[in-house]
Amino acid sequence: GAVVSQHPSWVICKSGTSVKIECRSLDFQATTMFWYRQFPKQSLMLMATSNEGSKATYEQGVEKDKFLINHASLTLSTLTVTSAHPEDSSFYICSARDRATYEQYFGPGTRLTVT
Amino acid sequence: ELKVEQNPLFLSMQEGKNYTIYCNYSTTSDRLYWYRQDPGKSLESLFVLLSNGAVKQEGRLMASLDTKARLSTLHITAAVHDLSATYFCALNQGGKLIFGQGTELSVKP
Repeated sequence: GAVVSQHPSWVICKSGTSVKIECRSLDFQATTMFWYRQFPKQSLMLMATSNEGSKATYEQGVEKDKFLINHASLTLSTLTVTSAHPEDSSFYICSARDRATYEQYFGPGTRLTVT
Repeated sequence: ELKVEQNPLFLSMQEGKNYTIYCNYSTTSDRLYWYRQDPGKSLESLFVLLSNGAVKQEGRLMASLDTKARLSTLHITAAVHDLSATYFCALNQGGKLIFGQGTELSVKP
């Protein structure tokens, strides 16, 4: 149980284009999901908290117009990187908080490369 | 603001040896997590520690929590190559997880 999937697992896009990453909780409901970014050899940095049916809360320094988050259902949150630039290349990991147990479970991550 | 610091950041060990990774944090939290990350992969949950004095063991790894000292340790016993990975501690702050810098462990024969 407690499986979180992410799609795609890796993506390459050209500078200036947008890319959408999906995060799904497969066997539990998640009113809250979190989006993290991890650069090589660094720790995970929380970007934003996604709440079902409401606007996401962004951490300081994260551009909300660049990283669009939608959490339209209890099992799906999406992160759209708009007008991507090479410096947005990173490993993006989502986690979903089980509404019943309050525990967080991590997705397998999405590696984004912007050329 | 909660700050989480791990040390060491890099650890090269010989197989069969014991070592400890430390995780210090600045304010109280109701739970502390340890995760493992292999290169190119996401996080694998190892332990969650809820109360002072909590100790959990799985195989060659043992985690403990001292809430008074605001310190958690991850002890590695008789290391084997398969334990090579990066280990993170993380604490819950208002529902968010705040991560330490990570400890990159390399176990050499």
